[in-house]
Amino acid sequence: GDSVTQMEGPVTLSEEACLTINCTYTATGYPSLFWYVQYPGEGLQLLLKATKADDKGSNKGFEATYRKETTSFHLEKGSVQVSDSAVYFCAQLGRSSYKLIFGSGTRLLVRP
Amino acid sequence: GAVVSQHPSWVICKSGTSVKIECRSLDFQATTMFWYRQFPKQSLMLMATSNEGSKATYEQGVEKDKFLINHASLTLSTLTVTSAHPEDSSFYICSARNTGELFFGEGSRLTVL
Repeated sequence: GDSVTQMEGPVTLSEEACLTINCTYTATGYPSLFWYVQYPGEGLQLLLKATKADDKGSNKGFEATYRKETTSFHLEKGSVQVSDSAVYFCAQLGRSSYKLIFGSGTRLLVRP
Repeated sequence: GAVVSQHPSWVICKSGTSVKIECRSLDFQATTMFWYRQFPKQSLMLMATSNEGSKATYEQGVEKDKFLINHASLTLSTLTVTSAHPEDSSFYICSARNTGELFFGEGSRLTVL
C-alpha cells in the first residue's frame, strides 16, 4: 500500500549547519507531497508542498523537490536556526484520496 | 491561516472512564474533520473522518464503539474514548480542510491510568 518513509531522528545540528531530512514514498500514481512541522506544544503546520514531478516547494528557507525517478521529497535548508527545532513530518495525498499518509516524523534539535 | 483548536490539551483519567475531546474550527466552517492518533515516535494514523450531520467513517481496525465521533455542527467535532484503558493513552489530533488545505489542531494528550 501507499506509504511514506523518513529518516529516523533525532537530528542534532549546530546553528547555521546544513540540513537534509530524507523522505521517500511508495504510491499508486503521482500523489501530492507535503512537509509539515510541529513546534513544541503546537499543532502541525504546513511547511511546504509540491503537487507534481519536478515541482519545488519552499518556505522559510526550507526546500524540497518532488523527484519522481527516485520517489523522494527530501527536505533541505542551507543554514538552520535554533528556532527550527521541531518535529518534521513528510506526507503524501493520493490524487483520488482524502487520506493524508504521514511518515513517522523526524525530530530536529538545533544547538546554539 | 485558518485555526483549528482542540480541548483539552492534556487529560489524565482512570481506567474504565470515558473522555471527550473537542475539535473546533474557529474561523471557518468544516463539513469534514479528520481524527488522527499518534503513538510515541510513530506516525500519525488516520482514525476516522467526521462528517457533519451524518455518521463518521472509520478506518480499518478502528473500533467505532470505542471511539465515538459526533459532528453536530459545522464548527465542532467531538471524539469520545469510551471505557478508556491504558493502551488508549496516546496523542489525538484533529484536522479540518479549508480551501483545499488541511489545518491541524494542537493535539490532545490522553493518559489513562
